[in-house]
Amino acid sequence: DGGITQSPKYLFRKEGQNVTLSCEQNLNHDAMYWYRQDPGQGLRLIYYSQIVNDFQKGDIAEGYSVSREKKESFPLTVTSAQKNPTAFYLCASRDKSGGDKNIQYFGAGTRLSVL
Amino acid sequence: SQQGEEDPQALSIQEGENATMNCSYKTSINNLQWYRQNSGRGLVHLILIRSNEREKHSGRLRVTLDTSKKSSSLLITASRAADTASYFCATDPRDSSYKLIFGSGTRLLVRP
Repeated sequence: DGGITQSPKYLFRKEGQNVTLSCEQNLNHDAMYWYRQDPGQGLRLIYYSQIVNDFQKGDIAEGYSVSREKKESFPLTVTSAQKNPTAFYLCASRDKSGGDKNIQYFGAGTRLSVL
Repeated sequence: SQQGEEDPQALSIQEGENATMNCSYKTSINNLQWYRQNSGRGLVHLILIRSNEREKHSGRLRVTLDTSKKSSSLLITASRAADTASYFCATDPRDSSYKLIFGSGTRLLVRP
């Protein structure tokens, strides 16, 4: 899974609780992404960041929040407002200096379940 | 917004056979990519084809792109049991800023 580390591998959330998923990369990539994957489905974009201290909502941002204080780190918080958080969460990064190539590199994922 | 739709959703073949999966998309693209995902793991980039290319090869992989039909196919030749995985196409839309749009994937099972 390259130089992207997601932790924890498994996470359990209680009702009303916020939980934070960690994503760290040592690839020196500018852009980072968070995706949600439901069983048997493709990836849906939650948030992305192209530079430190800046991020944009993806297609399903409601109930999630992110920060990008360091180039290497892009944590995702699943808030209590996300009523159906059970899913597989994938973090990715991209080297913007790759020109027109938009190849993304993925972490191993975090599986979030609700208790 | 899901742009890529893949066909078939699932494919089961015998080791040594070829596997073909198809992807259709809706808008103009810069490039189209294929990724592989082993069960419970992250995605791994396989191959990229630019919008001005029609065919590309990488080892046992062959990708074609028909921009007039907005479709692509991935051919895996001489499949192996280790090729068992889900395969996703991802488009890099012209009107989008460095976002990829992923299809729903094809689950490939290669039987030994």
